[in-house]
Amino acid sequence: DSGVTQTPKHLITATGQRVTLRCSPRSGDLSVYWYQQSLDQGLQFLIQYYNGEERAKGNILERFSAQQFPDLHSELNLSSLELGDSALYFCASSGVGGTYNEQFFGPGTRLTVL
Amino acid sequence: DAKTTQPNSMESNEEEPVHLPCNHSTISGTDYIHWYRQLPSQGPEYVIHGLTSNVNNRMASLAIAEDRKSSTLILHRATLRDAAVYYCILRDSGSNDYKLSFGAGTTVTVRA
Repeated sequence: DSGVTQTPKHLITATGQRVTLRCSPRSGDLSVYWYQQSLDQGLQFLIQYYNGEERAKGNILERFSAQQFPDLHSELNLSSLELGDSALYFCASSGVGGTYNEQFFGPGTRLTVL
Repeated sequence: DAKTTQPNSMESNEEEPVHLPCNHSTISGTDYIHWYRQLPSQGPEYVIHGLTSNVNNRMASLAIAEDRKSSTLILHRATLRDAAVYYCILRDSGSNDYKLSFGAGTTVTVRA
């Protein structure tokens, strides 16, 4: 158990819909990262938040947005869903600074868009 | 990000050592070498990291070539639980970029 929790575990929805994925980082971790894992693209970094502020952006679509709240939990919002958005979405957290700090990953949310 | 190259797959027998190579010929002086693994149906988990010297922890050892252009992750006695995809990732300590850039990794199969 990494200490990172993600809800829901599974999500099935239709094209055009909007969903929200939730992540609670390990106690005390200020950084939250979102990654997408699909069969054709592999594991890709989407976005990072640090103590409520956006820190880095990766290959995140404009239809996707995220935020980190004062209690440090984070939400990833996916809108106007397409079939290609079906993937595993992982959240990770890490401590203060340093590229040597390991990231702790949650169990993921499996999104299926029908 | 500097690129890494890993074999697509490796097989091992249970309780035998596994040596997973990683080539990173364009590594810079500030790049740390990190290894993560992803067990089936789970999120990735940290294994080990190093800069120049060989490193050991309870999970594995990391052997880094003197010129740092390659490294090897060593699982000393593979168990069935070590069957996973192993990712070799470079992270630049000189930047504020903390993301992990995953490649395809090496799929390790452990035979009982």
